Amino acid sequence: EPEVTQTPSHQVTQMGQEVILRCVPISNHLYFYWYRQILGQKVEFLVSFYNNEISEKSEIFDDQFSVERPDGSNFTLKIRSTKLEDSAMYFCASSEAVEAKNIQYFGAGTRLSVL
Amino acid sequence: GQNIDQPTEMTATEGAIVQINCTYQTSGFNGLFWYQQHAGEAPTFLSYNVLDGLEEKGRFSSFLSRSKGYSYLLLKELQMKDSASYLCAVRDWGTDKLIFGTGTRLQVFP
Repeated sequence: EPEVTQTPSHQVTQMGQEVILRCVPISNHLYFYWYRQILGQKVEFLVSFYNNEISEKSEIFDDQFSVERPDGSNFTLKIRSTKLEDSAMYFCASSEAVEAKNIQYFGAGTRLSVL
Repeated sequence: GQNIDQPTEMTATEGAIVQINCTYQTSGFNGLFWYQQHAGEAPTFLSYNVLDGLEEKGRFSSFLSRSKGYSYLLLKELQMKDSASYLCAVRDWGTDKLIFGTGTRLQVFP
């Protein structure tokens, strides 16, 4: 069964460093998303991406965040200068089309630890 | 504002039936989703409701009442592997983003 894959599974970084989280969405999907989940809290939407541009972003997704689809298979989330409060599990998701259901399929996540 | 409420934890016995409730207040409504999440793993899609009523899929069923802002996930013939968190998520009008509740951690005991 096709799945969304994310690498690395765990990333440890120093405060102020840049990190890039990588995702390979399901191959025929057109819509891509990033969510995060701080330990013990709810899953929160960060950004959605379609047709090579951001379609929606949350208040969390400030100038320190960016997304890119550098080729036909990868979708990345970059945090330019990490802060302690960026420590969280980051989930990538993809969906086939914006239709009635538009089910989003999630990857296993990257646990980001900012020290 | 947007608010989705679920019980934090529930316990049940193997073979039993459990109902996990979700209430929501959102500015619009365009579908409610249930996901299952085992610790350290991806949320996996379980069910989708957009019209009132019951959707059944094997051992799992989900119900929606839009007028009450209420949904439940019903799990029958519980198995140990059903021990997981169950996430209720609502999609608003004109957006793709999912708004999640805090999730309900279900523990199934022998």
